[in-house]
Amino acid sequence: DQQVKQNSPSLSVQEGRISILNCDYTNSMFDYFLWYKKYPAEGPTFLISISSIKDKNEDGRFTVFLNKSAKHLSLHIVPSQPGDSAVYFCAASLMNYGGSQGNLIFGKGTKLSVKP
Amino acid sequence: EPEVTQTPSHQVTQMGQEVILRCVPISNHLYFYWYRQILGQKVEFLVSFYNNEISEKSEIFDDQFSVERPDGSNFTLKIRSTKLEDSAMYFCASIRSLDRVVSYEQYFGPGTRLTVT
Repeated sequence: DQQVKQNSPSLSVQEGRISILNCDYTNSMFDYFLWYKKYPAEGPTFLISISSIKDKNEDGRFTVFLNKSAKHLSLHIVPSQPGDSAVYFCAASLMNYGGSQGNLIFGKGTKLSVKP
Repeated sequence: EPEVTQTPSHQVTQMGQEVILRCVPISNHLYFYWYRQILGQKVEFLVSFYNNEISEKSEIFDDQFSVERPDGSNFTLKIRSTKLEDSAMYFCASIRSLDRVVSYEQYFGPGTRLTVT
């Protein structure tokens, strides 16, 4: 049961261009969404998050957009840099429901390659 | 910058043996988690721990698994009798608070690669 889906296993982008990573979810009760970046043999590194009461959150080159009606979120990286090459995971959580302890439900990840 | 640490980085064990994976969460964090990632698959939640007890667990976290915070700093995951399918990366994570006004950032350790032969 894939509650969080990342349908693109890979994405290749030219340096300086925009990278757009997509994520869909099925559970309308999710109220917090996060993006993590992961290099091989390392743990996930937090990038940016968004609460379900917002539709956009921006942090430097990273912007996350949330479309609740479509149950869709996306991560935009502008401009993309070769150092951004990694696997990007979308994760969702039930933050404000009784009994929830904030565990994350992850998508399968999208491997981003930024070419110089 | 404070970070979550995990030891060992790689553990090889024989099927049926017990293993203990260790984690030191960030010192002022209150909520602790274990996740695993089987090779090529997604990161999966195992268990959450708060106030010295399990607060939530997934169906993966069966009776073979246990967690403990023995000394106020370490957070351990024990697998009593390992199976081949337990081979995976195991990640520890922590967060200071679940306060809705606080930016929710769950910090992950570098992981322990468990190989069961």
